[in-house]
Amino acid sequence: NAGVTQTPKFQVLKTGQSMTLQCAQDMNHNSMYWYRQDPGMGLRLIYYSASEGTTDKGEVPNGYNVSRLNKREFSLRLESAAPSQTSVYFCASSFKTLGTEAFFGQGTRLTVV
Amino acid sequence: EDQVTQSPEALRLQEGESSSLNCSYTVSGLRGLFWYRQDPGKGPEFLFTLYSAGEEKEKERLKATLTKKESFLHITAPKPEDSATYLCAVLGGGTSYGKLTFGQGTILTVHP
Repeated sequence: NAGVTQTPKFQVLKTGQSMTLQCAQDMNHNSMYWYRQDPGMGLRLIYYSASEGTTDKGEVPNGYNVSRLNKREFSLRLESAAPSQTSVYFCASSFKTLGTEAFFGQGTRLTVV
Repeated sequence: EDQVTQSPEALRLQEGESSSLNCSYTVSGLRGLFWYRQDPGKGPEFLFTLYSAGEEKEKERLKATLTKKESFLHITAPKPEDSATYLCAVLGGGTSYGKLTFGQGTILTVHP
């Protein structure tokens, strides 16, 4: 099983450029999440989707937008990248939002110059 | 606001030297406490879920326990392959409904 697949694995952007990070899961999970991980800050939730057709802001949503395309796919878009968005981004999914473990992808390492 | 604090930040052990990692938390209505392992350059890998005080879970050399204020990850006779960052996270049921809050992690290094 592939689990949670993220693309791309690495990306360098110039300030002001836009891009979309893709995430797909094949575990028939209902809930999906986007996190960023920064040194000394731990994992912080950007957005989540409790179920297909719904999305909600997490702890650090500014500068990002998301789309729950279908049950399998959840994308994260940076409309105008800033150096502060340099980070490692993780997509995760879980069967339910409450009380069930989340499974993570391998991450996308994004550098904004 | 939910908070998770892990200690120590880093731990160096000799192979076979047992120890414990601590995860202290404050949360409104705990719905679950999760332990993850993260290897360099990889995403977190799920280890355990604990739901209520007194609960314990075991997997190979790892044992996780939970009280009302903290969780411990006990590592018995560790091996070099146990070296990783161990993350603790809580799922609250209050205003943070549906949101996992992670600690900073403990970097474990096991020397042969």
